[in-house]
Amino acid sequence: SQQGEEDPQALSIQEGENATMNCSYKTSINNLQWYRQNSGRGLVHLILIRSNEREKHSGRLRVTLDTSKKSSSLLITASRAADTASYFCAPRENSGGSNYKLTFGKGTLLTVNP
Amino acid sequence: DTGVSQDPRHKITKRGQNVTFRCDPISEHNRLYWYRQTLGQGPEFLTYFQNEAQLEKSRLLSDRFSAERPKGSFSTLEIQRTEQGDSAMYLCASSLTRDLSGYTFGSGTRLTVV
Repeated sequence: SQQGEEDPQALSIQEGENATMNCSYKTSINNLQWYRQNSGRGLVHLILIRSNEREKHSGRLRVTLDTSKKSSSLLITASRAADTASYFCAPRENSGGSNYKLTFGKGTLLTVNP
Repeated sequence: DTGVSQDPRHKITKRGQNVTFRCDPISEHNRLYWYRQTLGQGPEFLTYFQNEAQLEKSRLLSDRFSAERPKGSFSTLEIQRTEQGDSAMYLCASSLTRDLSGYTFGSGTRLTVV
């Protein structure tokens, strides 16, 4: 299975600002998932976008997917200090015997300063 | 069901000792995954179960590691003859066959080998 590569590796913003994180991947996907991880905790599933969707919203989160560019972005609007965490994307491959597991990159470390 | 439970949360062991971790997934989830995560890195896939069958084990996993999922319910991960390089966070996750809602992760077991 393939892993996504998040960019930037680290992002520091002020509370109230928007945060945008990007993800690139290499092969055809069925869906792409975003996860958040607070320091020392497990990952939390944020949102799943299917390959036939271009944009999806969930509260203050907006995810876009461009399958022609093999990329996705996660936008967090009106950020809060509690959004401080690492964010990972996980592309789910479209075919093959190993499409049951997700592979994670190094993530984007977002710091929201109060 | 309140989520995926992992026990213990922390484990300190001396080099050469054996350790065993437990994971209780969400009861209706038939898939269970183990990941390992070191500081600054994303979770690294270790192994995967569908019901009681272990379907894949990472090539990165040495013979000192073994996992079981008897009766397709809880799972255990054992590390024999621990080494300092085994120090990491061990994460368990579960999902349905069709991951329409992604993985649910536990809070992890932090292992320190001294």
